[in-house]
Amino acid sequence: DTGVSQDPRHKITKRGQNVTFRCDPISEHNRLYWYRQTLGQGPEFLTYFQNEAQLEKSRLLSDRFSAERPKGSFSTLEIQRTEQGDSAMYLCASSSDSYTGELFFGEGSRLTVL
Amino acid sequence: SQQGEEDPQALSIQEGENATMNCSYKTSINNLQWYRQNSGRGLVHLILIRSNEREKHSGRLRVTLDTSKKSSSLLITASRAADTASYFCATDAGTSYDKVIFGPGTSLSVIP
Repeated sequence: DTGVSQDPRHKITKRGQNVTFRCDPISEHNRLYWYRQTLGQGPEFLTYFQNEAQLEKSRLLSDRFSAERPKGSFSTLEIQRTEQGDSAMYLCASSSDSYTGELFFGEGSRLTVL
Repeated sequence: SQQGEEDPQALSIQEGENATMNCSYKTSINNLQWYRQNSGRGLVHLILIRSNEREKHSGRLRVTLDTSKKSSSLLITASRAADTASYFCATDAGTSYDKVIFGPGTSLSVIP
């Protein structure tokens, strides 16, 4: 297993377009997290899944954002009608259910909205 | 919302010196973690300390936790240029082990 992978690594889009990011967690991990990070800031919690269930979603997330994790494996994060303020790094992390708390992060997907 | 706040925001030291970063948080926690992030990369877990622990070591890293003051510190001894990165503390929400919240981070520059 090579760790958490995210795709695409970079995405440039025009305002108003929809974008989708994919995250493949470490295979035995049942918990999956999405964070957003802007330059010079810490990761901002967006949502997390335990298996296929989305257990929490940040109030900061508008209804333009949606995340899914079908079958409890990979996850997708979709942003509809993108705005320039959506430009950020979108980070995915996974963890096991063994209560170590440690998150394993992917390299992130950088979004630029023109 | 951010549970933790790191201090200082930025730190510049000479290679070989020690670097100390502090983290304060607001609510009770079950554990506190420190992560490192190189520019443009994902975060890497460094160390986790549980609420019933006061100090923990891992190689050149030393973490302390004071739950009465709701604060933690990360000490990197004998720093190297390769330690240049941003460092974040992260906490759970205290009532759930599932949600992990990060602070704004400390940017460390180690000058060769």
